[in-house]
Amino acid sequence: DAKTTQPPSMDCAEGRAANLPCNHSTISGNEYVYWYRQIHSQGPQYIIHGLKNNETNEMASLIITEDRKSSTLILPHATLRDTAVYYCIVRAYGGSQGNLIFGKGTKLSVKP
Amino acid sequence: DTAVSQTPKYLVTQMGNDKSIKCEQNLGHDTMYWYKQDSKKFLKIMFSYNNKELIINETVPNRFSPKSPDKAHLNLHINSLELGDSAVYFCASSLTSGRARRADTQYFGPGTRLTVL
Repeated sequence: DAKTTQPPSMDCAEGRAANLPCNHSTISGNEYVYWYRQIHSQGPQYIIHGLKNNETNEMASLIITEDRKSSTLILPHATLRDTAVYYCIVRAYGGSQGNLIFGKGTKLSVKP
Repeated sequence: DTAVSQTPKYLVTQMGNDKSIKCEQNLGHDTMYWYKQDSKKFLKIMFSYNNKELIINETVPNRFSPKSPDKAHLNLHINSLELGDSAVYFCASSLTSGRARRADTQYFGPGTRLTVL
């Protein structure tokens, strides 16, 4: 079973920041937080991952709380093309523990 | 310059048939995976291969068998297809060796929609 909890859906206005929360209260010390998204009918797309520090790349920022029990994915300027299901996944590094276990995710709808 | 590719994109077949889905990656990764996404949109790991060795086998029926002719390919063979096998199948790959910052991130193919009639 997925070890994360996400709201089933969220709306965001185009051009505004989208903040997607994720709870992972049972995360272990060696587990990373990964975010993927799946645009309709496409394969999941990697967005970002982190262990305990905040991370930023060209797509998004990841804010992880100090106790690591929750995190927020931030899309700074959402566009219509960001409409997708966003998955927050916790996983250990490599090996069989490195399975991606997908939950239900958050369906983000970006509206004009 | 597609990173992870799958063929065919769509596959429609009759119950009882045997079919294969092909996957190729040109990323130089050493681990490849197969996932199944059912009608309820749940994505579940089926198999992974690392250096030609099966390292994950998540209680899938033995009618499903992954075959890896080389590190860049992981094909999925399905025997005696059943109605419940209808789903979208995704191939993925990752680099699991080394300590690169982005090591072990999985990259997915576009999916193969299998319909069993």
